[in-house]
Amino acid sequence: DTAVSQTPKYLVTQMGNDKSIKCEQNLGHDTMYWYKQDSKKFLKIMFSYNNKELIINETVPNRFSPKSPDKAHLNLHINSLELGDSAVYFCASSQDWGGSTDTQYFGPGTRLTVL
Amino acid sequence: AQTVTQSQPEMSVQEAETVTLSCTYDTSESDYYLFWYKQPPSRQMILVIRQEAYKQQNATENRFSVNFQKAAKSFSLKISDSQLGDAAMYFCAYRRPYNQGGKLIFGQGTELSVKP
Repeated sequence: DTAVSQTPKYLVTQMGNDKSIKCEQNLGHDTMYWYKQDSKKFLKIMFSYNNKELIINETVPNRFSPKSPDKAHLNLHINSLELGDSAVYFCASSQDWGGSTDTQYFGPGTRLTVL
Repeated sequence: AQTVTQSQPEMSVQEAETVTLSCTYDTSESDYYLFWYKQPPSRQMILVIRQEAYKQQNATENRFSVNFQKAAKSFSLKISDSQLGDAAMYFCAYRRPYNQGGKLIFGQGTELSVKP
């Protein structure tokens, strides 16, 4: 009965490869996010989608491409992986993108290790 | 740009005691929301408590309460009757309403350990 789920939980890959991380939420929320947590545990927003439309694109290399096939899914595809991409990636969702009662719920995270 | 600062990288508390985690933020906005998230070793980000800036009353959730000082831009988290399960990384976060796409701006985190 997981509210926000991500697959895979762990991903180990070689530099230069292309990989995807999938995210699904069953909360009926309109907005979904991708955050990156670096090795010092600092969390930073990468992308935000509302009703399948991109509303935030922070300064992220264009090797990262989010795709939202529907409101319940937001996938993250990464091309030409680099060592610096190693991090934990969190998906989150919220009812809306900033209302007074809005709260973001996080997935379990995907630990990406680039060798 | 808004920033969030947690000046205590690590804190320690004895079981059953009370501990306060500090958070300050910088903003020119008058309307915003503040959050505390907990990240245990399992890595899951769990919402602990939230505060709307327009509310003067401090939010409370069971053993967790905040001291929100809007003028001082301070948002500390108090954990009463600390339990072993409270051991985790705690993140303070800020969000503007309907702007910046609803993104959360996080502090650096405070690692809390609970001693039995």
